[in-house]
Amino acid sequence: GQNIDQPTEMTATEGAIVQINCTYQTSGFNGLFWYQQHAGEAPTFLSYNVLDGLEEKGRFSSFLSRSKGYSYLLLKELQMKDSASYLCAVGDSNYQLIWGAGTKLIIKP
Amino acid sequence: GAVVSQHPSWVICKSGTSVKIECRSLDFQATTMFWYRQFPKQSLMLMATSNEGSKATYEQGVEKDKFLINHASLTLSTLTVTSAHPEDSSFYICSAPRTGDFYEQYFGPGTRLTVT
Repeated sequence: GQNIDQPTEMTATEGAIVQINCTYQTSGFNGLFWYQQHAGEAPTFLSYNVLDGLEEKGRFSSFLSRSKGYSYLLLKELQMKDSASYLCAVGDSNYQLIWGAGTKLIIKP
Repeated sequence: GAVVSQHPSWVICKSGTSVKIECRSLDFQATTMFWYRQFPKQSLMLMATSNEGSKATYEQGVEKDKFLINHASLTLSTLTVTSAHPEDSSFYICSAPRTGDFYEQYFGPGTRLTVT
């Protein structure tokens, strides 16, 4: 079956660094996406990885290892506005997105 | 970036009535649009894939006759919740990849439906 796992909730301190992990098992692979979703709002795109390695975009970086079925999202210099849910999603062989349940990130001052 | 709009943003309706939600791609054409439902504190659940000019593809467990989808143009898809019940109360979100570019889906702002 298709399965995407990520932690339910994480807590971090303002100014610190946090890594949100995602492991996946899907039928086919057409890339891994990370989205940010604030409560009551639609998801917004953060990153897309299709090749192994690290993609850096400002304070956010995303890593992919296809052989391990593993990705992580790294957030640096955390700000209070980064408090949100972070959704990991994999594009399957039908080009549909398979979604993880999301990781709720709580930032404390 | 690309913009996808949804209308209405929120709606309250009585049990047994029908509600139509519109999803529009404002600055690009979308032959495919996706409809999701999200319950509180849960992840997105794909309901159906809307295809311009043809029938929608529904996910297992989603009632075709209850959730009517029409994709009449390259910029508009509609989801009609027929004979709504309180358990249909949810956050409905559409998304669309640019035609020819699957790699980034653009999400609408969502529609919060409350059925009383």
